[in-house]
Amino acid sequence: DAKTTQPPSMDCAEGRAANLPCNHSTISGNEYVYWYRQIHSQGPQYIIHGLKNNETNEMASLIITEDRKSSTLILPHATLRDTAVYYCIVSAGSNYKLTFGKGTLLTVNP
Amino acid sequence: NAGVTQTPKFRILKIGQSMTLQCAQDMNHNYMYWYRQDPGMGLKLIYYSVGAGITDKGEVPNGYNVSRSTTEYFPLRLELAAPSQTSVYFCASSYGGIGVWTEAFFGQGTRLTVV
Repeated sequence: DAKTTQPPSMDCAEGRAANLPCNHSTISGNEYVYWYRQIHSQGPQYIIHGLKNNETNEMASLIITEDRKSSTLILPHATLRDTAVYYCIVSAGSNYKLTFGKGTLLTVNP
Repeated sequence: NAGVTQTPKFRILKIGQSMTLQCAQDMNHNYMYWYRQDPGMGLKLIYYSVGAGITDKGEVPNGYNVSRSTTEYFPLRLELAAPSQTSVYFCASSYGGIGVWTEAFFGQGTRLTVV
């Protein structure tokens, strides 16, 4: 699987958009970009995934650059409950697993 | 739907003891996984299973064993517990193989301390 690079921590004001970047410059054509988050040592929670098109669901939006070497997870209106570690993961179907790095600790401040 | 259920939530073991961490899912998922997470670190894959009767090693399998006799259950066995196995253990399941645009569902974890 391609490696990912994320900032170790970010802050965001409550109600503002949180934009979490991820670099995956060695991504292969068949690899998806996944985002998970982990709130205070709970089990990780799936957020969103994409291959090359931008994606949106009820939780977030995923913007993938045209060359697919980086992506941004957007939480449009961050709340205090969004404070968590966010993991960007790149994985292909043949591996049957997710490789978690250290992620980005997002702290949403009141 | 209970999702993925792990028991126990907490456990303290003495060095050399053995135990089984239980994991059950009620979503009829074929794929199941065991991860461990050390303090301040990401998750590391211990073992995974692509269906009943089929298991394979992940990144850190030493000191652990698994079995998968049914779709629902995927227990993780620790033999001869060591302090290095102090960690939080997460079980997960998915409908398809992760990477085939399918999400994984995680349990709430088992916090194990070996003293």
